[in-house]
Amino acid sequence: LAKTTQPISMDSYEGQEVNITCSHNNIATNDYITWYQQFPSQGPRFIIQGYKTKVTNEVASLFIPADRKSSTLSLPRVSLSDTAVYYCLVGADNNAGNMLTFGGGTRLMVKP
Amino acid sequence: DGGITQSPKYLFRKEGQNVTLSCEQNLNHDAMYWYRQDPGQGLRLIYYSQIVNDFQKGDIAEGYSVSREKKESFPLTVTSAQKNPTAFYLCASSIARHGIYEQYFGPGTRLTVT
Repeated sequence: LAKTTQPISMDSYEGQEVNITCSHNNIATNDYITWYQQFPSQGPRFIIQGYKTKVTNEVASLFIPADRKSSTLSLPRVSLSDTAVYYCLVGADNNAGNMLTFGGGTRLMVKP
Repeated sequence: DGGITQSPKYLFRKEGQNVTLSCEQNLNHDAMYWYRQDPGQGLRLIYYSQIVNDFQKGDIAEGYSVSREKKESFPLTVTSAQKNPTAFYLCASSIARHGIYEQYFGPGTRLTVT
């Protein structure tokens, strides 16, 4: 499974765009990049997933360069309710099932 | 409403007792997972199951046991052999469709052993 590295914490202010970058230098050909959000004492929630280039949904955008060794989660115009831990995961459905490894995540603090 | 339920939300036990955490899903997902989360840490995989009557150890299976007798249910037993069982336990399920893999998580059970 590809190891990921992301910042431990980030601070932002309401209304700003937040970009969280994740490094995954040994990503495999069939790996997807997935981001989850977790609030305290709750289970993580799927935000977005991509394989290459750019993916956008109603919550966020995911930018993946051509070499796929990193990815950037972009949250437009954050609010206080976006304060959470964000996990970058890399994995694929191999014979072991949908194995995803959660690292420590990035703790985002949005300030008023 | 489709989803994953875990019960109870909070659980207290005395050291030396086995305790079973419930996880039920009505999403018709084939795969189910158990994770453990310690304060300020990420999630660590305990066990997972891809189909009924089959399950595999994750990264930290020692001191835990599971069963998968029904597609909808994947209970986790924390045995007295688990040296540090106090933690937040999360159950998840998933389905793969067209190469997109998402895990749906339950609300979690916070276990305290004294």
